[in-house]
Order: sequence, then structure tokens, then C-alpha cells
Amino acid sequence: AQRVTQPEKLLSVFKGAPVELKCNYSYSGSPELFWYVQYSRQRLQLLLRHISRESIKGFTADLNKGETSFHLKKPFAQEEDSAMYYCALSGYNQGGKLIFGQGTELSVKP
Amino acid sequence: GAVVSQHPSRVICKSGTSVKIECRSLDFQATTMFWYRQFPKQSLMLMATSNEGSKATYEQGVEKDKFLINHASLTLSTLTVTSAHPEDSSFYICSAKRASGNTIYFGEGSWLTVV
Repeated sequence: AQRVTQPEKLLSVFKGAPVELKCNYSYSGSPELFWYVQYSRQRLQLLLRHISRESIKGFTADLNKGETSFHLKKPFAQEEDSAMYYCALSGYNQGGKLIFGQGTELSVKP
Repeated sequence: GAVVSQHPSRVICKSGTSVKIECRSLDFQATTMFWYRQFPKQSLMLMATSNEGSKATYEQGVEKDKFLINHASLTLSTLTVTSAHPEDSSFYICSAKRASGNTIYFGEGSWLTVV
């Protein structure tokens, strides 16, 4: 079964602290993994995707196929990073259909 | 950048009535659009995949007769909640996939309250 699990509903850190938002997935095949962010009162937007291997707003995520994980990391959190973060999965040839995790609310305190 | 717009952003309707939510891709053609439902501080649950010119594909457990989806053009998909009940109250989000490429763009969402 296709599944995305984000074990933490809420993650609270102080500004400047490192952040890691966990994401594990279950998929029989080679999935494409994404991180989406939803700032307060704004629409969902793509943060990064594993095939790009890029860093956006200081965030990175590495796909670990052995551990079926795609954790999101940032070495120094900023207050403006406070938002809901969703890990999502799409199978190849699924036409963009996304399966979302439960979401993790990141709160960065001053 | 590509924009997906939903209308209305908020709607209140009476139990038993039907309500339509529109999803438009404003500056690109979308062969595929997706409809999600999101409860407060919870995940987005995929309801159905809408393909232009063909019937929508519904996810397991989603009543196709209750949530009517129409994708009449490459820039418009509609979700009609028929015979709405208070438990249908939710945040409905659409996304659109460009005809070319794999990038998905999300609408701003529509709050439905059934009273």
C-alpha cells in the first residue's frame, strides 16, 4: 500500500536551532518524493522534490531508499519557517497523483 | 508563475442543497486536475482525479454521486457537492498539472460550511 508517514504533528524549536522533519514512506516501486509547505492563510506550495536534489530556503532532503525515508532538514531555523510541512509521494506514471503525509507543524520561536 | 484559482474561497450552504466549486488554471492548460479534502491541521486526502474530456477517477470510499466532478475544458474543473450535509463541511483544494511537464500547482482552497 502507498503510504506517507510523518510521525510528528508539531515540532517546536528556537530560532537558529537545527530542524529535522521526519518522513517515511511505503511504496512498491520507485516513487517520487516531495516536500510541500503551507504558510498561514496561504496555498500549498512545492518546497522541494527529491529528483532535483536542490536546496530551497536552506532546506534539504535526501531520499534514503534503504530506510524509505525523506527527512527534511535545515541547519538553522528561522522564524519565517514556521508553517505546516507536508511530505508527499507520487508514483512514476501516476500522472501527478500525490499521496500526502499527515503534516508537521513547525513552530520556530524567537 | 502558473496560477490556479478556486472560486468561491468560502461558501455557506443549507443542508440538502448543492454547491459548486470551480478550479481554474489561469495561465496554462491543465490536462489533469486533482481534488483534495483537508480537515483542520490534517492531511490532504485525494478525492478524485479529473481528466479533461473524460470521467473522473474517484478514490476508494469517495461517493461519485455525491461529489460530482466535471472537467469540461483544459482550464476548468468543477466539484459539485450534492445534497450537502454538515459532515461535508471541509476545506476543498484543487491542483492542476500542466499539459506539458510534471509540475503540480495548487489552488488556494475553498472552505465549505454546511448548516
